[in-house]
Amino acid sequence: KNQVEQSPQSLIILEGKNCTLQCNYTVSPFSNLRWYKQDTGRGPVSLTIMTFSENTKSNGRYTATLDADTKQSSLHITASQLSDSASYICVPLYNNNDMRFGAGTRLTVKP
Amino acid sequence: GAVVSQHPSRVICKSGTSVKIECRSLDFQATTMFWYRQFPKQSLMLMATSNEGSKATYEQGVEKDKFLINHASLTLSTLTVTSAHPEDSSFYICSATGQGFSSYNSPLHFGNGTRLTVT
Repeated sequence: KNQVEQSPQSLIILEGKNCTLQCNYTVSPFSNLRWYKQDTGRGPVSLTIMTFSENTKSNGRYTATLDADTKQSSLHITASQLSDSASYICVPLYNNNDMRFGAGTRLTVKP
Repeated sequence: GAVVSQHPSRVICKSGTSVKIECRSLDFQATTMFWYRQFPKQSLMLMATSNEGSKATYEQGVEKDKFLINHASLTLSTLTVTSAHPEDSSFYICSATGQGFSSYNSPLHFGNGTRLTVT
């Protein structure tokens, strides 16, 4: 069973709208959690890295939250743009540097 | 910022032939490189971890004789898919981390992937 569950699997929103992507993980203990953006046919690009002691981290229009107690993270995208269309992948990192990749949420932003 | 270059971006080969994929770190020394494969709409699956100058560590279920990994220098790792078959068709991605930063806190830079199609 995948130890990282992301929801929704896919999402369509209109340009300018906000959205929130969810990530539930079961890996423990973990040292940090990363969110990546992956355009179709490209490699992932890092958006945020949070340690277990951080609750929130922002990178421009992207804001990630983390609740280490419930093992949940979210990625909030504000004022979406067409270029935000991509897959967003949640990646918790074990303390032994073992990374587990979620299947991602496929976001489509329409004009 | 750190850049990882992967080549080729696309390759089509006939069944039974071998294909080599290169992963280069352009502005840092990559002591460790990782190789993944990704099927459509699925997550990245780690195939192997490659440390410069030593043998790669393969994940369970990955055939080391089929997926040959060489990490002979601090800037280059190669993945060779030997005797490729149609079921090897996939998206292969490398990532790298190096001296001065570890995968613990680094963003772990990825190549842009190689789309392999075996006919």
